[in-house]
Amino acid sequence: DAMVIQNPRYQVTQFGKPVTLSCSQTLNHNVMYWYQQKSSQAPKLLFHYYDKDFNNEADTPDNFQSRRPNTSFCFLDIRSPGLGDAAMYLCATSAQGVFDGYTFGSGTRLTVV
Amino acid sequence: KQEVTQIPAALSVPEGENLVLNCSFTDSAIYNLQWFRQDPGKGLTSLLLIQSSQREQTSGRLNASLDKSSGRSTLYIAASQPGDSATYLCAAPSDYGGSQGNLIFGKGTKLSVKP
Repeated sequence: DAMVIQNPRYQVTQFGKPVTLSCSQTLNHNVMYWYQQKSSQAPKLLFHYYDKDFNNEADTPDNFQSRRPNTSFCFLDIRSPGLGDAAMYLCATSAQGVFDGYTFGSGTRLTVV
Repeated sequence: KQEVTQIPAALSVPEGENLVLNCSFTDSAIYNLQWFRQDPGKGLTSLLLIQSSQREQTSGRLNASLDKSSGRSTLYIAASQPGDSATYLCAAPSDYGGSQGNLIFGKGTKLSVKP
């Protein structure tokens, strides 16, 4: 089945130690998104790629970066994780952005110790 | 700026009951509205996508309606089951003018169906 796959499901990292979360898709969608969801809160968009065009939300901290080396893969890099970065990170894809529905992966739960 | 509100925040019902979850949005110039389900510690599963030209969509025991003029959507769940227990989120696009707009989510309604 076509899907969005996130690895790992659970990630524990040390305070200040760089960490990378990965997302892959078999849907061949143009747009890939990274959302952050903290406990009992709504998902919040960090950034997205439309093809190779990177779009950063204005309030996304500089500590967060992303790479999309090809259509299928997108990575979220957190350069120096703080305790406040502990959250569920959700990857999503869409064929043409908000004209279409979004498909989400299972998420990566990040713990910072 | 699009804002999405969901009421109630939590709902507990006995098995077999029909129920309605509510979603309201401030910017009615939307392409579509999407309902998701989230199980604890998991990602989001898309339930229904309603395009702006549609008034409702159905999938099994789920029916979602959309009233753009009033800025409201409802998710109707028929004959609820314990397996329906989850958090239900609705989401609407943030901008009408651009396809690269953001999906704005409500905080969700946490549903508990008691056997």
